[in-house]
Amino acid sequence: DQQVKQNSPSLSVQEGRISILNCDYTNSMFDYFLWYKKYPAEGPTFLISISSIKDKNEDGRFTVFLNKSAKHLSLHIVPSQPGDSAVYFCAASAGGGADGLTFGKGTHLIIQP
Amino acid sequence: KAGVTQTPRYLIKTRGQQVTLSCSPISGHRSVSWYQQTPGQGLQFLFEYFSETQRNKGNFPGRFSGRQFSNSRSEMNVSTLELGDSALYLCASSSGPPGGSYNEQFFGPGTRLTVL
Repeated sequence: DQQVKQNSPSLSVQEGRISILNCDYTNSMFDYFLWYKKYPAEGPTFLISISSIKDKNEDGRFTVFLNKSAKHLSLHIVPSQPGDSAVYFCAASAGGGADGLTFGKGTHLIIQP
Repeated sequence: KAGVTQTPRYLIKTRGQQVTLSCSPISGHRSVSWYQQTPGQGLQFLFEYFSETQRNKGNFPGRFSGRQFSNSRSEMNVSTLELGDSALYLCASSSGPPGGSYNEQFFGPGTRLTVL
């Protein structure tokens, strides 16, 4: 049973436009959510996070939105740049981060020039 | 500051063998977590160690084990390897213990294990 789902395996966006990556979760105990970015042959790198007490967190071009009632979060990247092409993983944790992270399967974002 | 290092980077084993992977966390970090990444399952949590104690464990069989040393370095061991164990094994370190406010995890480049 997959508790964190990223239903789009890949997403293609034109450079300069907005990229929206989606993530759904089923475990209502999750209270901390993160996005990681992964380039080939490298480990994931932390991008942005959000606590369940918030519904939005912004960091430069990256904004994460959390809709607790829908158990849905999204990552917005605007404007999209070629260097944003990577696999993006959504992750969640319960207990304020006390539990290990549960990851989605990832979405491969391709930024087209 | 040096990042998380993992050795070896690539490994080929045959079914039934055992393997030990090593992870050196960022200097000063005391928490080490291990993850398995496969194309079909994505990133899955294996276990987390803090101060030489296993604090959390994912849903993996007992063939997967780990330990942490007093210098925070960690090893994970997989015994009686199966074909399905072929994966990228990632180690991540963070500064604080599990619980409380979340401590950002920094990932190593991974060890690519191939089981033939």
